[in-house]
Amino acid sequence: FLLTQPHSVSESPGKTVTISCTRSGGSIATAYVQWYQQRPGSAPTTVIYEHYRRPSGVPDRFSGSLDTSSNSASLFISGLRTEDEADYYCQSYDTTTVIFGGGTKLTVL
Amino acid sequence: QVQLVESGGGVVQPGRSLRLSCVASGFTLRSYAMHWVRQAPGKGLEWVAIIWEDGGSQDYADSVKGRFIISRDKSKSTLYLQMNSLRAEDTAVYYCARGVVGAGQTIDYWGQGTLVTVSS
Repeated sequence: FLLTQPHSVSESPGKTVTISCTRSGGSIATAYVQWYQQRPGSAPTTVIYEHYRRPSGVPDRFSGSLDTSSNSASLFISGLRTEDEADYYCQSYDTTTVIFGGGTKLTVL
Repeated sequence: QVQLVESGGGVVQPGRSLRLSCVASGFTLRSYAMHWVRQAPGKGLEWVAIIWEDGGSQDYADSVKGRFIISRDKSKSTLYLQMNSLRAEDTAVYYCARGVVGAGQTIDYWGQGTLVTVSS
């Protein structure tokens, strides 16, 4: 299966941005969706796991959801800060394979 | 706290082998599924392999199946990736990562990565 993300999104500081992740080949609800943040020159970090759970230390400005009608997951970031500027990857899996989306570059103007 | 520290990267010729290591601390390695994920220069994340916590069975991406082997040494709290028959397209930063308890195909912690360059 594939996970498709927009190549890039941009928004102003203080605003809310949504990044989508659409699954083709199977239902989005059959496996957990995760979201990872990768700032320039750094390793990825986990911001959302199991659809909507936040690791400790991740601010509640980050949230996740599923929409089975569009077979997609979404990452919401509210109160945007310049430090949120990064690449964001969704990820899910089937029985033997882990799949990443192509990544979305978030620009905070 | 959880820490994952990779090592073993470098420049290697096509067709040769290389072994990456990832030392885990702050948790019991044998109790968690562990992953290797790679990122080619300027590209996105690509999953490479997983070793499961129960019995240590493994799964691999098609791109590395039959060439790479993931393993762990529980006594040394170390995860390995043995990479054989290396190709130019294996050039990437390789990250080790920990699976979430009970949902091993999700990831909660990542290492800082080690760069592998396959070139003659």
